[in-house]
Amino acid sequence: GDSVTQMEGPVTLSEEAFLTINCTYTATGYPSLFWYVQYPGEGLQLLLKATKADDKGSNKGFEATYRKETTSFHLEKGSVQVSDSAVYFCALTELNAGGTSYGKLTFGQGTILTVHP
Amino acid sequence: GAGVSQSPSNKVTEKGKDVELRCDPISGHTALYWYRQSLGQGLEFLIYFQGNSAPDKSGLPSDRFSAERTGGSVSTLTIQRTQQEDSAVYLCASSLKASNEQFFGPGTRLTVL
Repeated sequence: GDSVTQMEGPVTLSEEAFLTINCTYTATGYPSLFWYVQYPGEGLQLLLKATKADDKGSNKGFEATYRKETTSFHLEKGSVQVSDSAVYFCALTELNAGGTSYGKLTFGQGTILTVHP
Repeated sequence: GAGVSQSPSNKVTEKGKDVELRCDPISGHTALYWYRQSLGQGLEFLIYFQGNSAPDKSGLPSDRFSAERTGGSVSTLTIQRTQQEDSAVYLCASSLKASNEQFFGPGTRLTVL
């Protein structure tokens, strides 16, 4: 079945550092790709998404580009803040045999990011 | 408006007991999902509802797990004869329709002693 492999954490950075969290996927078709974030004590929130090859998702200074040739969707941010400390999950939506989707999400293992002042 | 709510927020039970977890989706959302978040397995899909029917139950780990949805709204996840490996955070999410953005609830933390 489809799967997502995510960079192992934890990741510890100083404020204003550059962030990359790697994510690669295995899928039979052309899934939609997502990054979700879980801030301390809060529920999962959608951070950004991309639905087709070469699409770039962006939100709150974070970006990720859907790379079909490398089956990757790496998350980047040019200058992290302490408030970005959270757990980040890469995910995909699987497609059914007919190419439609139930929207069922397959998640990576999550990467804990800690940003120090 | 109100988001997805789940109850209880925490549940501690003894091995062998049955538990029921409740999810109230966002009003008007036809799609509802249950996931489980545990240390060993990460975030796993359990079941998907479209309206009151469940076209995809493929993630339910055993026949001790069941779920229903009534009135196209509230859903209940039931775990019978709980085991210690059932300890996890159970998350519910809803979306306007399948493949739209999913909104997650805060989760129910289940601890089986």
